[in-house]
Amino acid sequence: GDSVTQMEGPVTLSEEAFLTINCTYTATGYPSLFWYVQYPGEGLQLLLKATKADDKGSNKGFEATYRKETTSFHLEKGSVQVSDSAVYFCALSEMRDDKIIFGKGTRLHILP
Amino acid sequence: EPEVTQTPSHQVTQMGQEVILRCVPISNHLYFYWYRQILGQKVEFLVSFYNNEISEKSEIFDDQFSVERPDGSNFTLKIRSTKLEDSAMYFCASRREGPDTQYFGPGTRLTVL
Repeated sequence: GDSVTQMEGPVTLSEEAFLTINCTYTATGYPSLFWYVQYPGEGLQLLLKATKADDKGSNKGFEATYRKETTSFHLEKGSVQVSDSAVYFCALSEMRDDKIIFGKGTRLHILP
Repeated sequence: EPEVTQTPSHQVTQMGQEVILRCVPISNHLYFYWYRQILGQKVEFLVSFYNNEISEKSEIFDDQFSVERPDGSNFTLKIRSTKLEDSAMYFCASRREGPDTQYFGPGTRLTVL
């Protein structure tokens, strides 16, 4: 079945560092890809999404590009802030299904 | 900005007891979902609900689970006889008609003792 694999955390970086969180997926069809973020004490919020190959999703300085050839959707940010500390979930959803399939999540700590 | 709300934020119950987790989806949304996350594991789909019936359910969603939209605003998940392994964070989500994003609530942490 479909699945999402993302890098294990926690990831600890200093403020203004470059961030990459790797995500790869397995899908039988042509899924839409998502990054969700969960700030402490809050729900899952959609950070960005991409619905077809080579699409780049972006939001709040974060970016991810849908790479069909490598089945990847890595999350990047050029300069992280303390306020980016959260858990980040890579996810996919197939057109034929309505459910979202999540990765395990990567906890990010940004040090001032 | 409208948001999905869930109550309670934390529920503690004894094994074998019934629990009802409550969600208020965004008001013009038509599709409703429950997911759960056991500590340290993935967020897993449980069930989707549309037009007052279940659209899809996972293997996890067995006869101990049920969902209901008792009125125009609430969406509930009932676990009839809780087991230790039901301890998890339960997330409700909703979306509008058409291909659209699912909006998630903050979750209810269920602890079964």
